[in-house]
Amino acid sequence: QVQLQESGPGLVKPSGTLSLSCVVSGDSITSNYWWTWIRQPPGKGLEWIGELFHNGRSNYSPSLKSRVTMSVDKAKNQFSLKLTSLTAADTAVYYCARLNDSLAGYYDYWGQGTLVTVSS
Amino acid sequence: QSVLTQPPSVSGAPGQRVTISCTGSSSNIGAGYDVHWYQQLPGTAPKLLIYVNSNRPSGVSDRLSGSKSGTSASLAITGLQAEDEADYYCQSYDSSLSGWVFGGGTKLTVL
Repeated sequence: QVQLQESGPGLVKPSGTLSLSCVVSGDSITSNYWWTWIRQPPGKGLEWIGELFHNGRSNYSPSLKSRVTMSVDKAKNQFSLKLTSLTAADTAVYYCARLNDSLAGYYDYWGQGTLVTVSS
Repeated sequence: QSVLTQPPSVSGAPGQRVTISCTGSSSNIGAGYDVHWYQQLPGTAPKLLIYVNSNRPSGVSDRLSGSKSGTSASLAITGLQAEDEADYYCQSYDSSLSGWVFGGGTKLTVL
């Protein structure tokens, strides 16, 4: 059974940097999937942040591209998200997920999500 | 404003059938990109319900079905049960945005 688990600080300051990790178990980070970050502001809908492949290829949301960096740690079987220049609008539950089919593009496994609050 | 438009809410009595629409455009659903549906119960992560327009993952009830036509897709739930009360999201790809997009979500209330 594939499982994903997010981790990282729950509170970050405005103008700071958010750093989250997602550990994958039950599958290898080097398998033929894209690994994804998705967020959900409180009471709102889902927003795609970006995705990366184990070889370092990545795709980011145009609206966040200037502030996002994703990376893979094969040794730890995990991938990470960095989001800079934070504002209150970045407060959200952040999910990591596996993109099952790069053409059809659906998410079959999700982490439980981690709430990140941007506040001083 | 979401690229994929869903009604904010739908409701139905137990046993009834409800449908949730997902309206896109020529740069996403209308361009032939597949549509997928997720259910999100309060405080939990989304769960895949329908993939590639009309396919159900193992373990998902056959009371749920999906369809796609033109620039729209829909999710139908028959034999409505209290446990179906949740938020539902559609998802596809948008070529203008060069990325994956979600609908704004629909809250299903079982009366």
